[in-house]
Parts: sequence; structure tokens; C-alpha cells
Amino acid sequence: NAGVTQTPKFQVLKTGQSMTLQCAQDMNHEYMSWYRQDPGMGLRLIHYSVGAGITDQGEVPNGYNVSRSTTEDFPLRLLSAAPSQTSVYFCASSYPDRGGEQYFGPGTRLTVT
Amino acid sequence: GNSVTQMEGPVTLSEEAFLTINCTYTATGYPSLFWYVQYPGEGLQLLLKATKADDKGSNKGFEATYRKETTSFHLEKGSVQVSDSAVYFCAQSGGYQKVTFGTGTKLQVIP
Repeated sequence: NAGVTQTPKFQVLKTGQSMTLQCAQDMNHEYMSWYRQDPGMGLRLIHYSVGAGITDQGEVPNGYNVSRSTTEDFPLRLLSAAPSQTSVYFCASSYPDRGGEQYFGPGTRLTVT
Repeated sequence: GNSVTQMEGPVTLSEEAFLTINCTYTATGYPSLFWYVQYPGEGLQLLLKATKADDKGSNKGFEATYRKETTSFHLEKGSVQVSDSAVYFCAQSGGYQKVTFGTGTKLQVIP
């Protein structure tokens, strides 16, 4: 049982480049979400999904895209990277009736130059 | 809207000292409350939770009591260890899945 896995662990992009952050979980959790963590700001919700084929926006969705074709995977796409997207990104999952009890991946540290 | 406010850090304590990290929340209704811990270079892990007023969550020597009258959920530990050095996040969950996190409090325990 690997829990929540994220790849890559580190990434450097140039402004304007696009990329996909991968997230997978093997706990059969219906709920998955993406957060970004910035100093002094805690975690902010980017996008979330309550099941395969269903996604919705969180607090800071601009510049990011998601899709959920399977229960296991929830990739996050940066469409055109900007320096303001330099952050640490965390994927999390949970059971639908225990939304506050989230399981987090190890994070992806992204730098946009 | 819902929010969580926790004391700013960093908090520096000597080993075996008593720890309190304050957390207050604003919410409509009665949310579930959580403390998460983040060790360096890792993701967050659920430390403890409380789902209704007067509930006490506890784990690994840490405790927090859900106080509805003061809208608080302060984290305490009687004797901290160097291995407790981490960032601690208070959080609430009121809706179906939405979780609101505080900004985190860094704890450093020195031998």
C-alpha cells in the first residue's frame, strides 16, 4: 500500500512552459485534491474531485487544469507556467464521508524562472 | 466564510518543556477540527481530530479539546522531544469535503 504518490519531487520550468504534476493513490479514495503551499499562507486548495469524471475549482484555480479519468489518478496541469506558480504542490485524498481526514503525498517542489 | 487562525511561530522550546499552540476558528455550524503535522521535506499527516464539542483528540502524547464556547482547539503536549520539531497545522472541515487550514506554526525543540 503506497498511499498517495506524487511525481516529480522537484521541477524547474521556464516561464511559459507547460507541465503535468502526477498524483496517484491506491486506497480507493473517491475524494482527491490539489493544494499549493506558500510561506506564511498555509495550504490553498487549487482543484478537487469527488469522483472519476467530476472536478471542481478550489480557492486558487487560475492557471491550472485537472481531470479525473480514474479513481486512482488526479493529474494537475500547468498550462503556461509563471513565476507566481513557484510553490510546493501537495496532492491529497480521502474517503467521501471523512473529508477532513486527508492523506497527503510527499509534495512536488516547483520553481518557475 | 470559514477560517482558522493559529499562533505565529516559530516556537522554540527546550526538550521536556510544555507545549501549547493556540488555534481558533470561525465557522457556520459545527465543523470537525483537526491538527496535522508536517515534518521537513514531507507531506502533512493527520495528528488528531475532534468531531463535536467537548471531544478531546489525542495521539503520540499530543492533545486538543474542541471548545465550542471559545471556538478554540489548542494543541498541547506535556513534554516535547527533539523529534517533535515540525510544522503544525490546525484545520477545520465543515462542508462535505472542504478543509480550511491555518497558516501553520513551526516548532523547534532544542536538546
